Amino acid sequence: AQTVTQSQPEMSVQEAETVTLSCTYDTSESDYYLFWYKQPPSRQMILVIRQEAYKQQNATENRFSVNFQKAAKSFSLKISDSQLGDAAMYFCAYRSVNTGTASKLTFGTGTRLQVTL
Amino acid sequence: SAVISQKPSRDICQRGTSLTIQCQVDSQVTMMFWYRQQPGQSLTLIATANQGSEATYESGFVIDKFPISRPNLTFSTLTVSNMSPEDSSIYLCSVERVNYGYTFGSGTRLTVV
Repeated sequence: AQTVTQSQPEMSVQEAETVTLSCTYDTSESDYYLFWYKQPPSRQMILVIRQEAYKQQNATENRFSVNFQKAAKSFSLKISDSQLGDAAMYFCAYRSVNTGTASKLTFGTGTRLQVTL
Repeated sequence: SAVISQKPSRDICQRGTSLTIQCQVDSQVTMMFWYRQQPGQSLTLIATANQGSEATYESGFVIDKFPISRPNLTFSTLTVSNMSPEDSSIYLCSVERVNYGYTFGSGTRLTVV
């Protein structure tokens, strides 16, 4: 079974600075998807960014980018020019491509990001 | 991406009672997923609901405790039965749309007293 590990329970960043959130995963599969989700206090889960494992190019979405290291099974999220609205819980998630596993998401334990003035 | 309407948004229930949570999707989807998020924890999948067949439950979750209905391709319910304080959690439904990824409902915050 796949596992997702987020080793940073909490992180803090100053407004306008850059922060990197870590995620590692364990899988025997060669093709899969990785996600970062944001959960603000409203508890709505918001997709931040998605990466397909077969793509070597790192995904980017505006101020959010990932560093995907397939061999190391690492998938970190970089937030540039941090804003107060970025404060939230961030979850890393894994999805198998194998439809036999019903395409469910496996989540890490989350990293709480604080943004300070 | 899909829009999911989930209700109730929160409820406080007496132990021993049951609560049914509803999710309505604005378009047809094959599978719907139900997650539990215990206080300060990550999301754990309860079950996957396919229309026209019984839900598939993850290890540690059973149909008697969490019965699920999926009467059509846009709607599903999750019932939390015979509740105890340990069931106090946020419950979320989710769907996957091809090329859009996963969308989640806004969650139901359940408190059992």
